[in-house]
Amino acid sequence: AQSVSQHNHHVILSEAASLELGCNYSYGGTVNLFWYVQYPGQHLQLLLKYFSGDPLVKGIKGFEAEFIKSKFSFNLRKPSVQWSDTAEYFCAGRGSQGNLIFGKGTKLSVKP
Amino acid sequence: NAGVTQTPKFQVLKTGQSMTLQCAQDMNHEYMSWYRQDPGMGLRLIHYSVGAGITDQGEVPNGYNVSRSTTEDFPLRLLSAAPSQTSVYFCASSYQQGGYEQYFGPGTRLTVT
Repeated sequence: AQSVSQHNHHVILSEAASLELGCNYSYGGTVNLFWYVQYPGQHLQLLLKYFSGDPLVKGIKGFEAEFIKSKFSFNLRKPSVQWSDTAEYFCAGRGSQGNLIFGKGTKLSVKP
Repeated sequence: NAGVTQTPKFQVLKTGQSMTLQCAQDMNHEYMSWYRQDPGMGLRLIHYSVGAGITDQGEVPNGYNVSRSTTEDFPLRLLSAAPSQTSVYFCASSYQQGGYEQYFGPGTRLTVT
């Protein structure tokens, strides 16, 4: 079965703290992985994506993610978060219907 | 270039009413899809289309119909609204079916009373 799981439901950090959000996937075939961000009241925006090649992927706004095949993981990281990073973050993988299979999301709250 | 647009932004329906959520894209994308977002559930696929005239069911299709008469438009119809359909609905499009980036619309928040 295809699935994407995110470990943390809600993460609370202070500004300048480092961030790591966990994501694990479970499916075979071609691995295409994505991280999307949803700011309050807004639609989903792509942060970064992995299709192949360098397993360390850099995205927008200082985010990066590392694809570790042996661990079936694609964790999102940022060395120093800002208050403006407060949002909900979704990990997703490509499904067999061309859709995205989403994790349940992680809410990030950054305290100023 | 407007990307993916959705109307309306908000809608309140009574149980049993029907309505159509509109979705349009101006990027000449072949693949379009509808998701619903519920708290703690992430986004789940309702229906999708790989091109004009071709649609198929996703994970949660019951109570919804779609059609794709043009490349640009992909409306979602609620036949007889139920409270369980209270959700936020997102339309998305991508160049083709497969591992391409999907672009999302701003969403429609639907409440069924």
